[in-house]
Amino acid sequence: DADVTQTPRNRITKTGKRIMLECSQTKGHDRMYWYRQDPGLGLRLIYYSFDVKDINKGEISDGYSVSRQAQAKFSLSLESAIPNQTALYFCATSDGIGEAFFGQGTRLTVV
Amino acid sequence: TQLLEQSPQFLSIQEGENLTVYCNSSSVFSSLQWYRQEPGEGPVLLVTVVTGGEVKKLKRLTFQFGDARKDSSLHITAAQTGDTGLYLCADPNSGGSNYKLTFGKGTLLTVNP
Repeated sequence: DADVTQTPRNRITKTGKRIMLECSQTKGHDRMYWYRQDPGLGLRLIYYSFDVKDINKGEISDGYSVSRQAQAKFSLSLESAIPNQTALYFCATSDGIGEAFFGQGTRLTVV
Repeated sequence: TQLLEQSPQFLSIQEGENLTVYCNSSSVFSSLQWYRQEPGEGPVLLVTVVTGGEVKKLKRLTFQFGDARKDSSLHITAAQTGDTGLYLCADPNSGGSNYKLTFGKGTLLTVNP
């Protein structure tokens, strides 16, 4: 099994719809992250969490919300999807010192 | 949060050539990581550098951390088509006490056969 699993891998949704992207990890790390990747813009941090009770906004949190249901689970929601949220989304986990482990990404298209 | 500037943004070379890509910041890094991302996959860690002036080698890849810990470089010798990918530098300790993980925009490397 993968260290970090994201579901779904691909999703097409309509403008205005609510959508949730899910992430689970088996590394046992406390830190989890959600990133958005657009061509030429690298990975931009949306939200990050250090434990179940600690959630922080990243550089582009507007239009997104998150829920840390357990140490191993961190979900990202788009309350009302808009076309410029079309992107590749990555979840990651780390211990804050060493390597960050990434999921394979969710390709989201908002039409 | 310190800004990580990577250059060049794009690089296209022939197999067998050497190349160097750079990561710079106006602030001091406590440590710095390099990741490689292949199409359709998440980034994978290549190396972490911690000490100013440090040089680490990973087969044909050489990573250097500047003496002042404000910059880093990645040199690839005799590039192969399998080196194609997006090379990202990352600060695992950005944000002061928040310790969030932030990335540069990356260098997209294409190695042509």
